[in-house]
Amino acid sequence: NAGVTQTPKFQVLKTGQSMTLQCAQDMNHNSMYWYRQDPGMGLRLIYYSASEGTTDKGEVPNGYNVSRLNKREFSLRLESAAPSQTSVYFCASRGGLGVEEQYFGPGTRLTVT
Amino acid sequence: GENVEQHPSTLSVQEGDSAVIKCTYSDSASNYFPWYKQELGKRPQLIIDIRSNVGEKKDQRIAVTLNKTAKHFSLHITETQPEDSAVYFCAASIGAGGTSYGKLTFGQGTILTVHP
Repeated sequence: NAGVTQTPKFQVLKTGQSMTLQCAQDMNHNSMYWYRQDPGMGLRLIYYSASEGTTDKGEVPNGYNVSRLNKREFSLRLESAAPSQTSVYFCASRGGLGVEEQYFGPGTRLTVT
Repeated sequence: GENVEQHPSTLSVQEGDSAVIKCTYSDSASNYFPWYKQELGKRPQLIIDIRSNVGEKKDQRIAVTLNKTAKHFSLHITETQPEDSAVYFCAASIGAGGTSYGKLTFGQGTILTVHP
C-alpha cells in the first residue's frame, strides 16, 4: 500500500514550457486535492476533485488545469509555466463522507527559470 | 472564504518545556480543525484533529483546544523533545459532509525549534 504517490520529485522548467504533475492514490479515496506551498504562506488549494468525474477551482487556480483521469489518478497541468509558479506542489486524498483526514503525497519541487 | 491566521511564526523552546501555537479562523461554519507536522523536505502529516462538537482532545504529549465562540484553536505540546522540531500548520474546513468537500484552509505555519 503506497498511499499517495507523485511524479516527478523535482523539475526545472523554462518560462513558457508546459508540464503535467502526476498523482495517484491506492486507498480507494473519493476526493483528491492539489496544493502549492510557498515560504511563509502555508499550503494553498489550487484545484480539487470531490469525486471521480468532477473537478473544481480552489483558492489559486490561475495558470493551472486538472484532470481526474479515474478514481486513482489526479493530474495537474501547467500550460505555460511562469516564475511565479516556482513552488512545492502536494497532492492529497481523502476517504469519503464523514472521513476528514487528508493524506499527502511526497511533493514535487518545481523551479521555473 | 475562510481565513486562518497562525501565531507565532517561529517558536524556540528548551527541551522539556511546553509549546503553544494558536490559530484563529473567520468562518463560523468551519467545524473541522486538523494540525499537521512537516519535517524539512517531507510531506505534511496529521498529528491531531478536533471537531467543533468537542472542546479539547489529547493524544499523549499533544493536545488541541477549541473555542468556537472566539473562533480560535490551539496546539499544546508538553515535555518537548528535539524530534518535535518541525513546521506545524493549523487548518480549518467546513467538513466533508457539506458542499465544501473537505477543502482545507491552512495557516501560515510555525517553525518550532526544541533545543537540547
